[in-house]
Amino acid sequence: DQQVKQNSPSLSVQEGRISILNCDYTNSMFDYFLWYKKYPAEGPTFLISISSIKDKNEDGRFTVFLNKSAKHLSLHIVPSQPGDSAVYFCAASVDQFYFGTGTSLTVIP
Amino acid sequence: ETGVTQSPTHLIKTRGQQVTLRCSSQSGHNTVSWYQQALGQGPQFIFQYYREEENGRGNFPPRFSGLQFPNYSSELNVNALELDDSALYLCASSLPLLTSGTGKETQYFGPGTRLLVL
Repeated sequence: DQQVKQNSPSLSVQEGRISILNCDYTNSMFDYFLWYKKYPAEGPTFLISISSIKDKNEDGRFTVFLNKSAKHLSLHIVPSQPGDSAVYFCAASVDQFYFGTGTSLTVIP
Repeated sequence: ETGVTQSPTHLIKTRGQQVTLRCSSQSGHNTVSWYQQALGQGPQFIFQYYREEENGRGNFPPRFSGLQFPNYSSELNVNALELDDSALYLCASSLPLLTSGTGKETQYFGPGTRLLVL
């Protein structure tokens, strides 16, 4: 049973525009959420995280929003850059980390 | 500071064989987790080791086993390989656990070992 879902397998955005990646979860016990970025032939790289007691966390161009009532997590990248092209995984944690299936982001120059 | 490293990078085995994958944790990290990532899927948690003891396990059969050594490096062993074991195996290390032992810290991943079972 997939507890963390990323329903969009791919997303294309023009350089300079906003990229919005979405993630839904089913387990209300999750208390920590993360986003990872993965380039081909590399392991996932930590991007940004948020605790369940917050609804927003910002780090430079990256902002994560958490809507607990909707069990929804989103990552905003503003402005998007070609180097942001990668697969993005969301993950949620209670006793272990549960990952979504990933969204492949392409930023078009 | 060195990152997480894994060996080998690629491996081909036949069904029924046994395999050992290795991971060196990032400096200062005493917790290591192993994940299986099948094609088109996200990483699936196999188990976690903290100070050489298993500290949590996902939904994987006992033929998946592990070790953590005093220098915090780790091994993943898989016995009686099956075709469905073909995947990318990722190792992740993290800073010392909170006293709750639930590991809320960020995990840092290695590049993975690509295993193909024929």
